[in-house]
Amino acid sequence: SAVISQKPSRDICQRGTSLTIQCQVDSQVTMMFWYRQQPGQSLTLIATANQGSEATYESGFVIDKFPISRPNLTFSTLTVSNMSPEDSSIYLCSVEKRTGGAGEQYFGPGTRLTVT
Amino acid sequence: AQTVTQSQPEMSVQEAETVTLSCTYDTSESDYYLFWYKQPPSRQMILVIRQEAYKQQNATENRFSVNFQKAAKSFSLKISDSQLGDAAMYFCAYRSPGTASKLTFGTGTRLQVTL
Repeated sequence: SAVISQKPSRDICQRGTSLTIQCQVDSQVTMMFWYRQQPGQSLTLIATANQGSEATYESGFVIDKFPISRPNLTFSTLTVSNMSPEDSSIYLCSVEKRTGGAGEQYFGPGTRLTVT
Repeated sequence: AQTVTQSQPEMSVQEAETVTLSCTYDTSESDYYLFWYKQPPSRQMILVIRQEAYKQQNATENRFSVNFQKAAKSFSLKISDSQLGDAAMYFCAYRSPGTASKLTFGTGTRLQVTL
């Protein structure tokens, strides 16, 4: 498994501002993922963060709105830019660990973001 | 694209009883992985159990077991001897083989455990 921490755990932000969420894992991993979970909803993948290359974004998510950094194999950041109330969600990072060919994803505790 | 469907928004079970949560999926792939995740009110996503599609044997993890029906594209989770700590949202998820494959989640089932 993996131990993953996220900072901040929660924040209340004003519209138009930006927030950077940090994700730290206790071991080196190749793949890191960022998900959004809107209130009462399931998880939706925002992007996949690879070390040393640009993040790969899913349909509906763009780099200008959700820039991602991946400076090394244990750390990543997600920025939510120019926030609006619709960005109020839980943001979760996850990492993939491979066991015998199969990859399992382990999740951080999430960051609860409220935009007013 | 793959889709995952959980048709039970909420379920309830009495402590010490058994409950089964349903999940169906749609895919054209023959090889893939299926997962059940638990999300308690703390919002931490916890991996409960994993099933490889090429394995005929159903996965088990202590009180948790699955009923994997590949032809029917069904992947249900059975929780035996339910405990209060099992109360949570449960998400079924699908993953294609290969590296950097994303998880596709169902909409979740909220499980209540009563005394």
